[in-house]
Amino acid sequence: GEDVEQSLFLSVREGDSSVINCTYTDSSSTYLYWYKQEPGAGLQLLTYIFSNMDMKQDQRLTVLLNKKDKHLSLRIADTQTGDSAIYFCAAAEGGSYIPTFGRGTSLIVHP
Amino acid sequence: NAGVTQTPKFRVLKTGQSMTLLCAQDMNHEYMYWYRQDPGMGLRLIHYSVGEGTTAKGEVPDGYNVSRLKKQNFLLGLESAAPSQTSVYFCASSSQLARVRTEAFFGQGTRLTVV
Repeated sequence: GEDVEQSLFLSVREGDSSVINCTYTDSSSTYLYWYKQEPGAGLQLLTYIFSNMDMKQDQRLTVLLNKKDKHLSLRIADTQTGDSAIYFCAAAEGGSYIPTFGRGTSLIVHP
Repeated sequence: NAGVTQTPKFRVLKTGQSMTLLCAQDMNHEYMYWYRQDPGMGLRLIHYSVGEGTTAKGEVPDGYNVSRLKKQNFLLGLESAAPSQTSVYFCASSSQLARVRTEAFFGQGTRLTVV
């Protein structure tokens, strides 16, 4: 089955860019997602990308997809303290649509 | 629009007790999921359902049972709770009819402690 890997922690200064990386194993993954989880809350979708895209930009968020290397990244420009949260990468295969999640990356933003 | 609602939000159980977690969604989604979240382990799929009356095992199904008698509800049961089942449980749902947007929508979670 699908395996999704991401680093557990990232620390940045306020105003810097943050880059969270993710790798997945199933080359048939069609849908790739980034979710954000704030303390004590459920997961909320941040952005998504289809496997036929290389890049997607949404305000401060940029998602890059390298399908050959099965590597996904999320860049947050001008990171703010309010961006401190756990970010989950998820991949879903086109046939089942059931998402597999990574372990989550805790982003800590220092003032 | 309430989205995905989980009840209860918190629960403390004694070892060996049973309980049912309820998940309700009002988005007419076909797929529903139960995940558990443990520190450093991310989200692991317990069971899922692709439609009313159907259920299937996920990555960590042992010790849990589920039922999907109505499309909008997905129940997770613990027959004999164990301390290893202390976790935060999340329910989610998604639509597979809209091929463009298929992301999962999550409830707020149930924090379960088994003592």
